[in-house]
Amino acid sequence: SQELEQSPQSLIVQEGKNLTINCTSSKTLYGLYWYKQKYGEGLIFLMMLQKGGEEKSHEKITAKLDEKKQQSSLHITASQPSHAGIYLCGAVYSSASKIIFGSGTRLSIRP
Amino acid sequence: DTAVSQTPKYLVTQMGNDKSIKCEQNLGHDTMYWYKQDSKKFLKIMFSYNNKELIINETVPNRFSPKSPDKAHLNLHINSLELGDSAVYFCASSQEMGNSPLHFGNGTRLTVT
Repeated sequence: SQELEQSPQSLIVQEGKNLTINCTSSKTLYGLYWYKQKYGEGLIFLMMLQKGGEEKSHEKITAKLDEKKQQSSLHITASQPSHAGIYLCGAVYSSASKIIFGSGTRLSIRP
Repeated sequence: DTAVSQTPKYLVTQMGNDKSIKCEQNLGHDTMYWYKQDSKKFLKIMFSYNNKELIINETVPNRFSPKSPDKAHLNLHINSLELGDSAVYFCASSQEMGNSPLHFGNGTRLTVT
């Protein structure tokens, strides 16, 4: 089994609805990154979380890291078509180590 | 201005050929990477260089050879291409491994026929 699991694998949401994507690690995280990927493009950095209980927001997207630093959630409020894409979480387990990515969540927004 | 640029965007070639993908970053970052994304969108690190020195070399076939002529460039050369090499290859850079975010290029879609 993988050390980093993302759920759900795919998600179809009505425009205007809220949604949550989860990222769970089997080990304590040093840091957690959230990225978004649109088809045919590279990954766009959204947010980085390092402290237990930390929460960050950018426009309508909020990311949280739990106190134990093993789980993160990405919440989108009032979803829009521009939010469609693949969301990936990336885990770092120690300083100066590589980022290991989850399998991604494919988000579609239904008009 | 493009921060991380890689060329070509698309590469279609036959089995057994040798091909190269180029990557350049103008962010002044010290660390550069190559990632491979398979058909299921799973993204896996292949190599990482810090200031022209190889620091990460995952379990990648010897047919893949990265080259970093300077810290702004990291090229990927692939010998004797196989069908299983078909994927999207992403170049990325960061200021510091683990403590700063990766900045990705737009990817090179490699198709081996």
